[in-house]
Amino acid sequence: DAMVIQNPRYQVTQFGKPVTLSCSQTLNHNVMYWYQQKSSQAPKLLFHYYDKDFNNEADTPDNFQSRRPNTSFCFLDIRSPGLGDAAMYLCASSTGYNEQFFGPGTRLTVL
Amino acid sequence: RKEVEQDPGPFNVPEGATVAFNCTYSNSASQSFFWYRQDCRKEPKLLMSVYSSGNEDGRFTAQLNRASQYISLLIRDSKLSDSATYLCVVNPGGSQGNLIFGKGTKLSVKP
Repeated sequence: DAMVIQNPRYQVTQFGKPVTLSCSQTLNHNVMYWYQQKSSQAPKLLFHYYDKDFNNEADTPDNFQSRRPNTSFCFLDIRSPGLGDAAMYLCASSTGYNEQFFGPGTRLTVL
Repeated sequence: RKEVEQDPGPFNVPEGATVAFNCTYSNSASQSFFWYRQDCRKEPKLLMSVYSSGNEDGRFTAQLNRASQYISLLIRDSKLSDSATYLCVVNPGGSQGNLIFGKGTKLSVKP
């Protein structure tokens, strides 16, 4: 089945230790998104790619970077995780005109 | 004014009850509208898109009032499995497909 896959599902890292989260989609969508969601809050868009064009939200910290090496894959790099970065990270994809399809998320714990 | 506002919740209802969620959006140019369902510690999943004429899917009915910038979701004959957080989601327009999420309304259906 076509879907959005995220790995790992759970990630534990130490304060300041870089971490990379991965996302892949088999839907052949040209837009991919990364969201951060904390408990009882709405998903917060960090950035998105329209094809290879990177779009950063104005309030996304510099600590967060992203790469999209091809249509199917997208990575979220957190260069120096802080305690405040502990959250669920959701990847989504869409055609750009319709609904977004979400992956199962990666739950990040920072020790 | 927040971009997407929802009923504060939580809604605690007995099985079989009818429950309605309301949502308002601030951008009158918004082009498409959705209700997503999110279970605890899971990703948002599309419940239904919302069309101007209103649409129904089984026990779920969605309505859109563009003049009032208002969206609603009606759930009839509530089931225990309907317990979740319901997110009102708006596409403000543009080809990049960015979505604006409400904070969600938590529904708890009790036996």
